[in-house]
Amino acid sequence: GAVVSQHPSRVICKSGTSVKIECRSLDFQATTMFWYRQFPKQSLMLMATSNEGSKATYEQGVEKDKFLINHASLTLSTLTVTSAHPEDSSFYICSARLTLLGTQYFGPGTRLTVL
Amino acid sequence: RKEVEQDPGPFNVPEGATVAFNCTYSNSASQSFFWYRQDCRKEPKLLMSVYSSGNEDGRFTAQLNRASQYISLLIRDSKLSDSATYLCVVTSEGDMRFGAGTRLTVKP
Repeated sequence: GAVVSQHPSRVICKSGTSVKIECRSLDFQATTMFWYRQFPKQSLMLMATSNEGSKATYEQGVEKDKFLINHASLTLSTLTVTSAHPEDSSFYICSARLTLLGTQYFGPGTRLTVL
Repeated sequence: RKEVEQDPGPFNVPEGATVAFNCTYSNSASQSFFWYRQDCRKEPKLLMSVYSSGNEDGRFTAQLNRASQYISLLIRDSKLSDSATYLCVVTSEGDMRFGAGTRLTVKP
């Protein structure tokens, strides 16, 4: 099946710093990529949807200025958590989709810990 | 009301047991339905799609009732390796919505 990678897999940072997470579709061109966040013992919550070359669409309650998403190419999307705080500590997972109704393929996730 | 609701769990069952998970969804226009499995600290992985006619994959049987907006997953002859969180997923116009998940622990 299709492969989606994320980097880094784990990051620990100090409060106030910014963290960039990369999501790549390795063997297909993803027209749409999604970013999810998952807190312990909770389900995945969609943060934003990004289409290549256009601005991301953020879900209600997700601050677009805090979670910057860039989808510069059909194989790469980045999520930057700006001025991270301990409450941003979470498991961030991206997924990629080729066509509108196609299967979403998930990346392995990035565990962010903000001290 | 949450878009996708699942049994709260957790389910603790002995090996060999049969266990059933339920899920309801609120958007009647939902188009596709899935069960995903998520192991601790890992990404979700597709377990099976769910069709109106019902479908089976080995020990796993999924059912969909569009009229009641209800989805189920039945696991027969549980194995230790079935221990995981099972996520009910519903899509509408390509957007996936996840249930909170039901944790299953299969014990020897």
